[in-house]
Amino acid sequence: DGGITQSPKYLFRKEGQNVTLSCEQNLNHDAMYWYRQDPGQGLRLIYYSQIVNDFQKGDIAEGYSVSREKKESFPLTVTSAQKNPTAFYLCASSIGTGVPGELFFGEGSRLTVL
Amino acid sequence: GQSLEQPSEVTAVEGAIVQINCTYQTSGFYGLSWYQQHDGGAPTFLSYNALDGLEETGRFSSFLSRSDSYGYLLLQELQMKDSASYFCAPPFNKFYFGSGTKLNVKP
Repeated sequence: DGGITQSPKYLFRKEGQNVTLSCEQNLNHDAMYWYRQDPGQGLRLIYYSQIVNDFQKGDIAEGYSVSREKKESFPLTVTSAQKNPTAFYLCASSIGTGVPGELFFGEGSRLTVL
Repeated sequence: GQSLEQPSEVTAVEGAIVQINCTYQTSGFYGLSWYQQHDGGAPTFLSYNALDGLEETGRFSSFLSRSDSYGYLLLQELQMKDSASYFCAPPFNKFYFGSGTKLNVKP
């Protein structure tokens, strides 16, 4: 079945460590997104990518990095520079950013910094 | 820039009707979408209004008035499973989300 797969579902990290969250889609979508959600809050955009080998910063990109080497994959690295990384991270995709469309979400990755 | 405003929380009883409002300011406009998110889960798409008026999908309806920069989601015959957060979002470009409305359905 087509969809978006995020892994791991739960992740614990020690302070000072970088961690990478995986996001894979088989929907053949051009655009992919990473959002952060804190308890009781909305979704804030970290990075988005419209095509392979291109990505743009969202509203809260500091302390995060991404790559888009393949259409299907858009991994997010939470670096040690991110001061408060404990949050729920959601990856999404859409057909494209140039046309109105629907976002399809993965099940999320919950990161906890110990 | 973009801004979206929704009430933070709404409470209603089972079987009732509830309306969740959304006012927005966006640079460029391509309609308004609504998403539902249960606690701990991923948001799922509910509806999309490209033009003014009411769109109905089962118990859920969504309304848009572009001249008023206003939309709402209407949920009828509320069920306990409708307890969730609801987000309005312009379905274009960055897919910017507001803070959402938490709906509590009580017996």
